[in-house]
Amino acid sequence: DGGITQSPKYLFRKEGQNVTLSCEQNLNHDAMYWYRQDPGQGLRLIYYSQIVNDFQKGDIAEGYSVSREKKESFPLTVTSAQKNPTAFYLCASSWTSVGTGELFFGEGSRLTVL
Amino acid sequence: GEDVEQSLFLSVREGDSSVINCTYTDSSSTYLYWYKQEPGAGLQLLTYIFSNMDMKQDQRLTVLLNKKDKHLSLRIADTQTGDSAIYFCAEKPGANSKLTFGKGITLSVRP
Repeated sequence: DGGITQSPKYLFRKEGQNVTLSCEQNLNHDAMYWYRQDPGQGLRLIYYSQIVNDFQKGDIAEGYSVSREKKESFPLTVTSAQKNPTAFYLCASSWTSVGTGELFFGEGSRLTVL
Repeated sequence: GEDVEQSLFLSVREGDSSVINCTYTDSSSTYLYWYKQEPGAGLQLLTYIFSNMDMKQDQRLTVLLNKKDKHLSLRIADTQTGDSAIYFCAEKPGANSKLTFGKGITLSVRP
C-alpha cells in the first residue's frame, strides 16, 4: 500500500534532549513537509522540501532541523533549542510543491517533553 | 496577507445537515480546500475548489465559494457519527505558494 509512515507514534523526551521523528513515503512524491499542530492553533509549517537535497524553512523553523538525503525520507529533529516542543507533529507529501497542492498526510507523532 | 479563519466547534444531530464556514483574506487564492482529521490521525483531503467555480458537489458534500466575501463553506448532508472530526479549510494563493490552514472546527455528531 502506498502512503506515508511516521514513527514513533508517541515519544517522550526529557528537557535538553534532541529527538528525531521519522517520515517515510513510497508515493514517489517530490515534495515533503513537516507541520506542527497545537490545540486550537491549526497547522503551522516547520520545514518543507521540494526536491532531494534541498529544503526551506517554514513559519516556525527555530529549534528544528531536517535533512532530505533520499526522496523517500524527510526526518525532523527537534532540538533542545526548541522552547516548547510538546505537540503533535504531522508529515505530509505532494507530487510537487506547485500546482493544486493536494497533501497526503501521515498519522502523526505525538511528542511529550517531561 | 494570508489568513484563514474558522469558528471552533459545531454540534449537530445525526441525520441533519452540517454547514461549516471559513473566511480567508487573500483575494488571489487560486485553490481552496477542505481537509478532515479524525482523532489522533493525520489529515485527509475531502475536496477542493478552484477559484473560478462557485459550487462543487461530491456525494454528501457541497462546497460553496463566495469570492466577493472571501467565504467558503462545506455542507455535509445526512451527517453521520463517522463525520465527527476536525475540519480544516486551507487556501493556496498561487501555484508556487504554500497551503495556509485555518485553525480547524470540531464537528460533533450526536445520536
